[in-house]
Amino acid sequence: EAGVTQSPTHLIKTRGQHATLRCSPISGHTSVYWYQQALGLGLQFLLWYDEGEERNRGNFPPRFSGRQFPNYSSELNVNALELEDSALYLCASRPQILNTEAFFGQGTRLTVV
Amino acid sequence: GENVEQHPSTLSVQEGDSAVIKCTYSDSASNYFPWYKQELGKRPQLIIDIRSNVGEKKDQRIAVTLNKTAKHFSLHITETQPEDSAVYFCAAGKNSNSGYALNFGKGTSLLVTP
Repeated sequence: EAGVTQSPTHLIKTRGQHATLRCSPISGHTSVYWYQQALGLGLQFLLWYDEGEERNRGNFPPRFSGRQFPNYSSELNVNALELEDSALYLCASRPQILNTEAFFGQGTRLTVV
Repeated sequence: GENVEQHPSTLSVQEGDSAVIKCTYSDSASNYFPWYKQELGKRPQLIIDIRSNVGEKKDQRIAVTLNKTAKHFSLHITETQPEDSAVYFCAAGKNSNSGYALNFGKGTSLLVTP
């Protein structure tokens, strides 16, 4: 069974540009979480999608947005990129079952120059 | 929202010693507490989890304890080995509307020296 996959693996953008990151959850998982992992800041919760709807978002500005498609894959969009957006962006998926493990993808390393 | 505090941020132990990482959470409704291990350059992976109806859980050299009254939980690694060196994250989750949100601590970088 394939795990959570993210694309691209690496992404380099210039300040002010737009970035799109993609995540394919494990088959059968309906929930997708996005986290930002910047150096020294741990895993910062960004967004949570389930059944196509945004369920919750972390303390990030509106230029961070996303969506979930009917096949449960998800997309994270970051507008007006800033240097401090450089980080590893991790996606995790889990089934809509109480108290279950979240499985992480390998991440997308975004570098803003 | 839920706030998860994790201590220490770095921990260095000698091989064979024990390591303890502690976390506190703020939302008393949280009822799921996983621990993830992230090796350098790799994705976080679950190593153990505990639910609020249990006070302690053990899996070989790893154990987790939960004190719901005090709202803290801890990870204990005994007989540490160099391959235990990694960043460890605690998390707290709860049923929110129709699903679960999962909030992580800032991580503990564990170094086990031979």
